[in-house]
Amino acid sequence: NAGVTQTPKFQVLKTGQSMTLQCAQDMNHEYMSWYRQDPGMGLRLIHYSVGAGITDQGEVPNGYNVSRSTTEDFPLRLLSAAPSQTSVYFCASRGRQGLGGYTFGSGTRLTVV
Amino acid sequence: SQQGEEDPQALSIQEGENATMNCSYKTSINNLQWYRQNSGRGLVHLILIRSNEREKHSGRLRVTLDTSKKSSSLLITASRAADTASYFCATDWSSNYKLTFGKGTLLTVNP
Repeated sequence: NAGVTQTPKFQVLKTGQSMTLQCAQDMNHEYMSWYRQDPGMGLRLIHYSVGAGITDQGEVPNGYNVSRSTTEDFPLRLLSAAPSQTSVYFCASRGRQGLGGYTFGSGTRLTVV
Repeated sequence: SQQGEEDPQALSIQEGENATMNCSYKTSINNLQWYRQNSGRGLVHLILIRSNEREKHSGRLRVTLDTSKKSSSLLITASRAADTASYFCATDWSSNYKLTFGKGTLLTVNP
């Protein structure tokens, strides 16, 4: 199993550009989440999904959009990049059954200039 | 904010010593989880303790939970240089398993 795969690993954007961060998992997990990690701020939840077709906002959703058309994929879209969105982005997933922790991807380091 | 807070922010110890990190949170929870993050990597789940449990062990890890004080502690015994990492507590307080993370404790284990 590959686990949670995030692409790209690094990205530099100009202010105002848009892009999509990809996240895919092969564990048939229902729950998926996007976090951003900034120095001194810990991880903050951007958007999350409890299954295909169901998404909701987290703590810091402004400037981001998500969709969940399949169980496997949960892309994060930056609509118009701003320097404040410079961060490391993590995607995570877990199954609905049982009780366990989330499996995290290796992250996307995004710089907006 | 539901965010948990880890204490201390940074901890430096010698190999073989024990490391204790604390986490405080603000509201009722379903469970509390601890994660490790090596520099530049994703987070790795270490251990989960439910709200009705008081103590849990996994290898060299021991986690305690005091819901009356809204606090948890993570003890790593006989630390190794490979334990050098940031450690985060995360609280699960919703029915949708949303996690809220603290800011982390940076543990350095000196050989």
